[in-house]
Parts: sequence; C-alpha cells; structure tokens
Amino acid sequence: DADVTQTPRNRITKTGKRIMLECSQTKGHDRMYWYRQDPGLGLRLIYYSFDVKDINKGEISDGYSVSRQAQAKFSLSLESAIPNQTALYFCATEGTEETQYFGPGTRLLVL
Amino acid sequence: QKEVEQNSGPLSVPEGAIASLNCTYSDRGSQSFFWYRQYSGKSPELIMSIYSNGDKEDGRFTAQLNKASQYVSLLIRDSQPSDSATYLCAVKGAGSYQLTFGKGTKLSVIP
Repeated sequence: DADVTQTPRNRITKTGKRIMLECSQTKGHDRMYWYRQDPGLGLRLIYYSFDVKDINKGEISDGYSVSRQAQAKFSLSLESAIPNQTALYFCATEGTEETQYFGPGTRLLVL
Repeated sequence: QKEVEQNSGPLSVPEGAIASLNCTYSDRGSQSFFWYRQYSGKSPELIMSIYSNGDKEDGRFTAQLNKASQYVSLLIRDSQPSDSATYLCAVKGAGSYQLTFGKGTKLSVIP
C-alpha cells in the first residue's frame, strides 16, 4: 500500500461549489503539506502543518482552508471553487531527514 | 520573495551522455538543497539532497553546490531513456520547513 494517499484522484466540479481533497499517510510523519502544480508555474505551497494544532499558511493560501484531523490526515478545502483553481494538487509528508514524500496527486477541474 | 530559477528546457541529450541541470536561488541564507524527479503524470520523488559546498555522488547522479555563487547543479552520467523526466530543484532556508521549488527542467534522453 502507498505511504501517502490522496482522494479523489480526479474531480470535476462547478464554479461556486465546495470541495474537499483528502490526504492520508502511514509514514508516521508530523509534517504535512499541500501544494498545487500548474504548467509553467511549478509547485507552490498552499498550507502546511506540523501537528494537529499547528497550521500555517503557505505562499498561495487565499481561497483555500485546511483541517488536520489527526497526525495521519490532512484535508484541503476549496470553499467556493473558481476556474483558476484548476490544477494538480499534491499532498506531501516530511520526516526528520527533510525528505518530502508526495502523494499521487489530485487532478481538479473547475468549470 | 525567495526564488529558485531553472531553465525550463527541454534539454535533449543522447543516450550515454552526461546531462547537466542547473539551478540558481535568491536566498543567500538557504541551507538545504534538493533535486526531485517527476515523470509525466506522476508525483515528484527525491533523488538527491545536498547541504555543503562541493560534490555529492550517488550512483550515476552527482549534485554540486556552490553557496557563494548561489548555484546548485545535478549531473546525470550515462544518461538512459528512463531518465527522461522533469527535474525540480528545491531549496529550504535556514530554520525553515518550507521548500521553494523551481519550475523544473524537462530532460529528454534520446536513444
């Protein structure tokens, strides 16, 4: 089984809808991250968390919120989706060795 | 704004040749440097990390760091078609848990 999983893998939604992307990990890492990847723009950090009580905004947090339900679960929400949030979203975890382990990604299309 | 710059490519090299990928960064206080490989449609995976000036070798891969010049590179010896991917340079500042990624260089190894 994969160490970092994301659901759903693909999602099509409409402008204005609320959507949640979920991430689970079995690596036992405290640090978790949400990124989005856009062609030509690279990976950009949305939010990160060091534990269930420590949530931090990243470079591009506007329009997003997160919830750290447990050490193993970190969810990303789009409260009211807009077309420019169409992107590939990655969750990642990081252990003490500073290596980040990425999930398989969620491809989101907002119409 | 911390920036990490890479040539977007594509960089094409013949099979068996040395591929040289370059990266510059703006934050002089950066302490940790990483190279991730991302195959098309897949998630990034770490291939090298480097923390001190000089070279670090791992199999066919060599990472080179020059903090004075704010420059980090990745050499791939005996390039194989399976090395064809996008290579992402990532940098972490002192005391920071945030990675700043470059936009990536697409490498094509021609059989």
